[in-house]
Amino acid sequence: DAEITQSPRHKITETGRQVTLACHQTWNHNNMFWYRQDLGHGLRLIHYSYGVQDTNKGEVSDGYSVSRSNTEDLPLTLESAASSQTSVYFCASSPGPGNTIYFGEGSWLTVV
Amino acid sequence: DQQVKQNSPSLSVQEGRISILNCDYTNSMFDYFLWYKKYPAEGPTFLISISSIKDKNEDGRFTVFLNKSAKHLSLHIVPSQPGDSAVYFCAASGNAGGTSYGKLTFGQGTILTVHP
Repeated sequence: DAEITQSPRHKITETGRQVTLACHQTWNHNNMFWYRQDLGHGLRLIHYSYGVQDTNKGEVSDGYSVSRSNTEDLPLTLESAASSQTSVYFCASSPGPGNTIYFGEGSWLTVV
Repeated sequence: DQQVKQNSPSLSVQEGRISILNCDYTNSMFDYFLWYKKYPAEGPTFLISISSIKDKNEDGRFTVFLNKSAKHLSLHIVPSQPGDSAVYFCAASGNAGGTSYGKLTFGQGTILTVHP
């Protein structure tokens, strides 16, 4: 079955370290998204991509970057992790407008 | 500024009864609304959506109502089942078929508990 997978599922890192969260989907979807979930805020959009080599900033993009070198993957990088980036991160993908957006199972990141 | 608000953090209902989850929005540019359900340690899963050209959409036990003048939508679950116990997120986007596609603004979520 096609799916969307995130790794690692859980990670603890130190302030200042670079961290990369992986997202891989096997549906061949052009559209991919990264959201973070925090108490009291629901999910907020970090970055998104509508195709290879296309990346765009979302609502809370400061301190994060993404790259899209192929259709299947959209890795999220925290350049210098901060305690404010402790959160649950969800990757999502979709074939396009009018279609469901599918979410991965989440990556729990703790910055100490 | 919270553009999508779910003012009830939690809701408790009896099995077989109706669950009504509410959501308010402030951005009049939103034209596509979705409800997601989330279990602990899992990603959100899509439940039902509605375009601003409609005021009701139904899918089995789930019905979403949209009141554009009040900028309010609600999700009705009838009859409620214990397996429906989860966090429910309301989400909205503008110009769903165009450049805002997938850029969802979420509410804070409502924890639904359905008691047997």
